[in-house]
Amino acid sequence: AQSVTQLGSHVSVSEGALVLLRCNYSSSVPPYLFWYVQYPNQGLQLLLKYTSAATLVKGINGFEAEFKKSETSFHLTKPSAHMSDAAEYFCALLAISNFGNEKLTFGTGTRLTIIP
Amino acid sequence: DTGVSQDPRHKITKRGQNVTFRCDPISEHNRLYWYRQTLGQGPEFLTYFQNEAQLEKSRLLSDRFSAERPKGSFSTLEIQRTEQGDSAMYLCASSLDPDRRADTQYFGPGTRLTVL
Repeated sequence: AQSVTQLGSHVSVSEGALVLLRCNYSSSVPPYLFWYVQYPNQGLQLLLKYTSAATLVKGINGFEAEFKKSETSFHLTKPSAHMSDAAEYFCALLAISNFGNEKLTFGTGTRLTIIP
Repeated sequence: DTGVSQDPRHKITKRGQNVTFRCDPISEHNRLYWYRQTLGQGPEFLTYFQNEAQLEKSRLLSDRFSAERPKGSFSTLEIQRTEQGDSAMYLCASSLDPDRRADTQYFGPGTRLTVL
């Protein structure tokens, strides 16, 4: 079975500090991995995705993530946190069924708080 | 333009009533997905359409739930005889190209259902 684990349901960082949000996955096939952000009362917005082209993936708003197969990880980072980064972040794994159907399996999310 | 839109944004209903939600995907997107998100959790896959064909349904989608995409454009999700456990955010997403692996899913703002 394919699954995603996000370590830390809440993370607080100071404005200007490094943001690190952790995601580990389990997959029996080469994974496709995503990070989405959700602001209050809104839908999910794609930050970045890994589709095996490059292990370091750059996304929007200064975020990036590195795929590490040996560690089964896909952690999200940003060098300098901004107040506008406060939101819920979801790591997701694309599961592909035997019929070729695609669906996202999400982690439980990490709420990021930025301390002024 | 236009992203994925959902209507209504909020719905409050009494237990036992039927409700119907609508999703309008991005124009020309072939794939349409429904997910459910409960408080403190990541979204969970419910069902998936390619054009008008419903290709997969989750075990979460009990027989009280039905989804349609009659002309391959907008979709509706109906819940009959609602229960308090149905209270959640219902998210719709669409993606463009069924022939492109891991095509980005674009999410709508969601419909928040509260069952009293």
